[in-house]
Amino acid sequence: QVQLVESGGGVVQPERSLRLSCAASGFTFSSHAMYWVRQAPGKGLEWVAVISYDGRNKFHADSVKGRFTISRDNSENTLYLQMNSLRPDDTAIYYCAKDSGPDGMNPSYYFDYWGQGTLVTVSS
Amino acid sequence: EIVMTQSPVTLSVSPGERATLSCRASQTTNNNLAWYQHKPGQSPRLLIFGVSTRAAGIPARFSGSGSATEFTLTINSLQSEDFGLYYCQQYYKWPLTFGQGTRLEIK
Repeated sequence: QVQLVESGGGVVQPERSLRLSCAASGFTFSSHAMYWVRQAPGKGLEWVAVISYDGRNKFHADSVKGRFTISRDNSENTLYLQMNSLRPDDTAIYYCAKDSGPDGMNPSYYFDYWGQGTLVTVSS
Repeated sequence: EIVMTQSPVTLSVSPGERATLSCRASQTTNNNLAWYQHKPGQSPRLLIFGVSTRAAGIPARFSGSGSATEFTLTINSLQSEDFGLYYCQQYYKWPLTFGQGTRLEIK
């Protein structure tokens, strides 16, 4: 049974940093691209970042480029999001999500499993 | 960026009736279109991908249709557990983008 469990959220002041983690189980983590998607209060879903199955390729949304960095540790089955220079408009629930493709060489770019999310609040 | 627009924002439907949700893309998605259901406090759930293919375990009362820029999610014989937020997502071009959502409410 696939499980994605996010952690690391909390209340942080503007311009500070936070690192989110997503512990994966129930599937071959190293064989799938992974994503971070967020939902700001009262807003819809926003894709944040993607990382290839082997960690070699990463892409970030323009809204976080240069401030956030996605990474993964396939030996620990864990996905990360390092968030620096946080702003109030980064306040959101952050979800990790698994690529639905059959393997890392054939990503689908949509998501078949999501975590429960972790809330990040940026406020002074 | 492909902008996804969903309508209506809120849809009120009685249990047992049919719900029709729309999603429009600002340019073609080449049929790379998915639908998700999202309930408060829960993880989003993949319903449909490739416009019309149901994900594993999704009941047959959920169906997707459309092409290019206009898409529809139809839910027949609405059940109480079907109420919540619904999002469309295009995965044809980067950045991946979602619609703003349609809230499906009990009438």
